[in-house]
Amino acid sequence: DVKVTQSSRYLVKRTGEKVFLECVQDMDHENMFWYRQDPGLGLRLIYFSYDVKMKEKGDIPEGYSVSREKKERFSLILESASTNQTSMYLCASSFFDEQFFGPGTRLTVL
Amino acid sequence: RKEVEQDPGPFNVPEGATVAFNCTYSNSASQSFFWYRQDGRKEPKLLMSVYSSGNEDGRFTAQLNRASQYISLLIRDSKLSDSATYLCVVNAGNQFYFGTGTSLTVIP
Repeated sequence: DVKVTQSSRYLVKRTGEKVFLECVQDMDHENMFWYRQDPGLGLRLIYFSYDVKMKEKGDIPEGYSVSREKKERFSLILESASTNQTSMYLCASSFFDEQFFGPGTRLTVL
Repeated sequence: RKEVEQDPGPFNVPEGATVAFNCTYSNSASQSFFWYRQDGRKEPKLLMSVYSSGNEDGRFTAQLNRASQYISLLIRDSKLSDSATYLCVVNAGNQFYFGTGTSLTVIP
């Protein structure tokens, strides 16, 4: 079974803090994605990566950056957390068509 | 215009009912199509892929109409365990586009 893990299920941070969300997949997938999910807005793509050290902006990259130093790991960084970044963050990986999701990190920024 | 649009519902149906969800997509170059299921606050999981010829998996039938850019999911003989949010997903190039989801509650 493909496994995608995320470093935290729940996280509470303060405004202005730098936040790191880690995602690891164990199936040697090329493509990895970061989404946020908010009620009524569905999943929105923040960034994706189709290879090590490669990254592409998604629909809402502002306020975020990413790092992919190893194929299995894709990190999302909130440089200076703000309250409007309170959300559920989902990481996914894919090889061809199907995406496999991690369990999500519910981030609250106070 | 959103890439993928779905009726958010909610759909509340009795056990045993047949329910259909619809989804439209805007990018005619879209290549792959899926229905995902999301339970509560858990992560989405693939329910089934959708092919032009249509495909069936037990009580679930998915259809794709490329000319109309329309995808459907039919659930027959609804079970309580079918209660979830159903996400329509379209793949175009390297990106996946998600609908906002349709909420289904199956009532005893």
